[in-house]
Amino acid sequence: DAGVIQSPRHEVTEMGQEVTLRCKPISGHNSLFWYRQTMMRGLELLIYFNNNVPIDDSGMPEDRFSAKMPNASFSTLKIQPSEPRDSAVYFCASSLTSGSEGTQYFGPGTRLTVL
Amino acid sequence: AQSVAQPEDQVNVAEGNPLTVKCTYSVSGNPYLFWYVQYPNRGLQFLLKYITGDNLVKGSYGFEAEFNKSQTSFHLKKPSALVSDSALYFCAVRFPGAGSYQLTFGKGTKLSVIP
Repeated sequence: DAGVIQSPRHEVTEMGQEVTLRCKPISGHNSLFWYRQTMMRGLELLIYFNNNVPIDDSGMPEDRFSAKMPNASFSTLKIQPSEPRDSAVYFCASSLTSGSEGTQYFGPGTRLTVL
Repeated sequence: AQSVAQPEDQVNVAEGNPLTVKCTYSVSGNPYLFWYVQYPNRGLQFLLKYITGDNLVKGSYGFEAEFNKSQTSFHLKKPSALVSDSALYFCAVRFPGAGSYQLTFGKGTKLSVIP
């Protein structure tokens, strides 16, 4: 298996622009997680989906952030409009949760820089 | 309140010496415990987990961790450190409960192995 795939790996944009981050989970995994990592705040859970349904989005910082999972093999995290304080590394992770312990497998991340 | 803590921001150890990275947790019930490692500019990689059974868990790259219920700890250990072990290490806990698939991560401990 190729593991969790994220794109793009790097994104540089200007304040006010829309940014879309993409994730393909490991085939067969039924839970998907979006995290944000910064030096100041560490690793933060933004949202997680189970069977394509958002279960907990309490970590989404503002209405500027939205996430979708239209099918089991694809998810997006969108920021509109972007701000410099959104600069961070965004990780996607997936896990198989049916009767399992929920080990999460992470993608390589997208490094977002908002100028 | 349920939480996980890594009391040391940084651990320095000489190559060849044993290493320990500490993790403690606070949760009611029996938690699932995980260790992840993050190399520079990479995603988090799963190292090992404790679910039940033997308190000593062996994982990837020669690492092991010991679950201590009375001390509510899950310290990561390796008998002989390598320079290549230098990375950021995260402890994580999955709190028990139906439908609870989230992992709560500690703030991370930076391990530096000195040649």
